[in-house]
Amino acid sequence: NAGVMQNPRHLVRRRGQEARLRCSPMKGHSHVYWYRQLPEEGLKFMVYLQKENIIDESGMPKERFSAEFPKEGPSILRIQQVVRGDSAAYFCASSPRQSGANVLTFGAGSRLTVL
Amino acid sequence: GQQVMQIPQYQHVQEGEDFTTYCNSSTTLSNIQWYKQRPGGHPVFLIQLVKSGEVKKQKRLTFQFGEAKKNSSLHITATQTTDVGTYFCAGGSGNTGKLIFGQGTTLQVKP
Repeated sequence: NAGVMQNPRHLVRRRGQEARLRCSPMKGHSHVYWYRQLPEEGLKFMVYLQKENIIDESGMPKERFSAEFPKEGPSILRIQQVVRGDSAAYFCASSPRQSGANVLTFGAGSRLTVL
Repeated sequence: GQQVMQIPQYQHVQEGEDFTTYCNSSTTLSNIQWYKQRPGGHPVFLIQLVKSGEVKKQKRLTFQFGEAKKNSSLHITATQTTDVGTYFCAGGSGNTGKLIFGQGTTLQVKP
């Protein structure tokens, strides 16, 4: 029973390029969360999705960032025209359903480095 | 918006000493969860508290949820080197399923 799968684990991009991070939730989980963690800092909420629907994107920067969770395939966090400040670990987590008491299962994270 | 504050940010203890981290929310929570992240790793779920005044124990770890459901604490008795890591509280409110994490408390244990 595979857990939350994230890839790539490490990604290096030059300024101005695009970064695409993928997340496959645990089997049976229908909700996906994305969090960003800067070095030595906490987990900052970005977006919360279910298949084909964004539930809450209040933590997403207004520009360059987008997320989707299509009917088929993994959830994707897309960062366009990356800047050095985008360098961080991006964690995906999944939960079985939408409720006020969801327990999250995290993936191993994707570490983005922008040169 | 909802904020979750955690103190202290860092704590260095001698092995065998106790450790406590505190979590406070700006709003009433429906539940509070605690996660542990080892250095270089990812957050791993420890426990969830739902009821006002709830206390739960896991071996040397004791978790409390405040009466007003706005604060929580994690206490570790007689720390061991395996306790090293960052402990995060995460608060949920309403029925959205969204969890807001505190900044975390990083625990270092000197053998």
